[in-house]
Amino acid sequence: QVQLVQSGAEVKKPGASVKVSCKASGYTFTSYGISWVRQAPGQGLEWMGWISAYNGNTNYAQKLQGRVTMTTDTSTSTAYMELRSLRSDDTAVYYCARAVAPWAAFDIWGQGTMVTVSS
Amino acid sequence: QSVLTQPPSASGTPGQRVTISCSGSSSNIGSNTVNWYQQLPGTAPKLLIYSNNQRPSGVPDRFSGSKSGTSASLAISGLQSEDEADYYCAAWDDSLNEVFGGGTKLTVL
Repeated sequence: QVQLVQSGAEVKKPGASVKVSCKASGYTFTSYGISWVRQAPGQGLEWMGWISAYNGNTNYAQKLQGRVTMTTDTSTSTAYMELRSLRSDDTAVYYCARAVAPWAAFDIWGQGTMVTVSS
Repeated sequence: QSVLTQPPSASGTPGQRVTISCSGSSSNIGSNTVNWYQQLPGTAPKLLIYSNNQRPSGVPDRFSGSKSGTSASLAISGLQSEDEADYYCAAWDDSLNEVFGGGTKLTVL
């Protein structure tokens, strides 16, 4: 079946970086893109950006420009999201979701990865 | 302070019909389609409605969406206890960002 499986929980110190992976299966990886969405504890959803698995084109949220990098590895059907210069307010569950375009609906979601930023 | 505005809570009794509103602007809902997501407690969100009013395969027809101008709404008819969840609207914004509503917590009384 179509699914996205994410890497496990992370605990990082302020100023560090984190890299979360999202492995796709059950569909042609390069026919879609991957969006990343995060959710702080008790809060709503926040879009972080989108990457095309076909050509690597990216579209990042303005708020995160310069701190986030999204990449894909088509040989393993895996997408990655790296966030640098972590702050306490980056503590959140990070989700990957399949989307054919940046403006398209997110039709398949990963299970989420908890990232905790604490000194 | 989400870009799209939703009521923080809604409620209904089993069998009732409830609606959740989502208000935006000309740069998002006014010019792009709206999607709705359901997030059951402790789980990842799930696509419920896309392109304003389309249901993905497997979503019961009790769920319906509509859009008019810069507002959209989600309707749930024949409310069931398993519908108790957080509901989010989302739309592409002409600033090249996807924007979400703050979410509505639906309680089935």
